[in-house]
Amino acid sequence: TQLLEQSPQFLSIQEGENLTVYCNSSSVFSSLQWYRQEPGEGPVLLVTVVTGGEVKKLKRLTFQFGDARKDSSLHITAAQPGDTGLYLCAGARFGNEKLTFGTGTRLTIIP
Amino acid sequence: KAGVTQTPRYLIKTRGQQVTLSCSPISGHRSVSWYQQTPGQGLQFLFEYFSETQRNKGNFPGRFSGRQFSNSRSEMNVSTLELGDSALYLCASSSQGARTEAFFGQGTRLTVV
Repeated sequence: TQLLEQSPQFLSIQEGENLTVYCNSSSVFSSLQWYRQEPGEGPVLLVTVVTGGEVKKLKRLTFQFGDARKDSSLHITAAQPGDTGLYLCAGARFGNEKLTFGTGTRLTIIP
Repeated sequence: KAGVTQTPRYLIKTRGQQVTLSCSPISGHRSVSWYQQTPGQGLQFLFEYFSETQRNKGNFPGRFSGRQFSNSRSEMNVSTLELGDSALYLCASSSQGARTEAFFGQGTRLTVV
């Protein structure tokens, strides 16, 4: 059983559209991170959220941590081809230094 | 500041052989974690080392092992390779562990034939 489920698994949209990716769990996390991975590379950290209800913005990307610290979302406004990649959420549980990764969302932005 | 370096980048081995992969973390980072990434299972945690001690371990068989040296460089070893071990193996370094930013290397692509 995967601890962190991401949806959708695949998403292909036109340049300029908006999209939201979800990361859900039945477990509580002390912090949650979002990464983007491009082919042939390792994941690169985009953001870390640590407080329930927290919202962080990174240019056109908005990240939200659920109030109960069990879920998170990533919203991209006016998607661009450079946003194409595999998006991964990853959570750390209280008292455990192990980072658990989500199932991933493969995003393709069509020019 | 140099990034995380993994060697080799690509490796082809035959079933039954063993393999050793290397990871040099960012200078000053004491935590090194290893992950296996496959299309079907995604990113699966193998183990984490902190100051030469294994601090966390994932659900992989004993054929997968690792170690960390005093300079924080880490190696992972897979013995008696199976076809299913074909994957991208990623190493991540961080200053303290999961609660601090993890920097990933480019990975080692292992193919078992």
